[in-house]
Amino acid sequence: QKEVEQDPGPLSVPEGAIVSLNCTYSNSAFQYFMWYRQYSRKGPELLMYTYSSGNKEDGRFTAQVDKSSKYISLFIRDSQPSDSATYLCAMSEGAGGTSYGKLTFGQGTILTVHP
Amino acid sequence: DADVTQTPRNRITKTGKRIMLECSQTKGHDRMYWYRQDPGLGLRLIYYSFDVKDINKGEISDGYSVSRQAQAKFSLSLESAIPNQTALYFCATSDPQGFRDEQYFGPGTRLTVT
Repeated sequence: QKEVEQDPGPLSVPEGAIVSLNCTYSNSAFQYFMWYRQYSRKGPELLMYTYSSGNKEDGRFTAQVDKSSKYISLFIRDSQPSDSATYLCAMSEGAGGTSYGKLTFGQGTILTVHP
Repeated sequence: DADVTQTPRNRITKTGKRIMLECSQTKGHDRMYWYRQDPGLGLRLIYYSFDVKDINKGEISDGYSVSRQAQAKFSLSLESAIPNQTALYFCATSDPQGFRDEQYFGPGTRLTVT
């Protein structure tokens, strides 16, 4: 079993929809949780970075972490065609307030938002 | 200019050939990483380096080697390429700031082994 499992999708939604992307993990040592966005033929870029259970909001994006259930989510409100990309969850271990740096990724979800 | 560059961007090679993928960064970061991406598998860590004298194996290092020539340069070698090493390869860098350790990725190298 992979340490990080991501709902693979693909996901196709109309413009304006609310999108929910999810990952579960099995390694309780993961302390830092990220969502990366990857456009076609590009490298991933960081979208959200969290380290505690609860919600973190940034514009139309909300990252949710539930450490007790080992479950993280990314919500996209009012989705736009420009949000069409692959979304990857990623996690790392750490201690003393410092990440160990090594990322473990989910499989990625391809999202298409059509006008 | 891009902060993290990779060369070549595309490469087709034959089974058994030795090839090198190069990564350079202008961000001044100490930490550098090599990942491969396969459809349906996400990104998997091959090797990582936290400074010039520090090299560590990642999840899938078999068949690969690396060289950290300088703070800014980190090369990945395939000593004898095989078809299942066909993938998209990404280099990344990071510079921890407290608990936050954001990784910055290059544009990737698409490698095909025939």
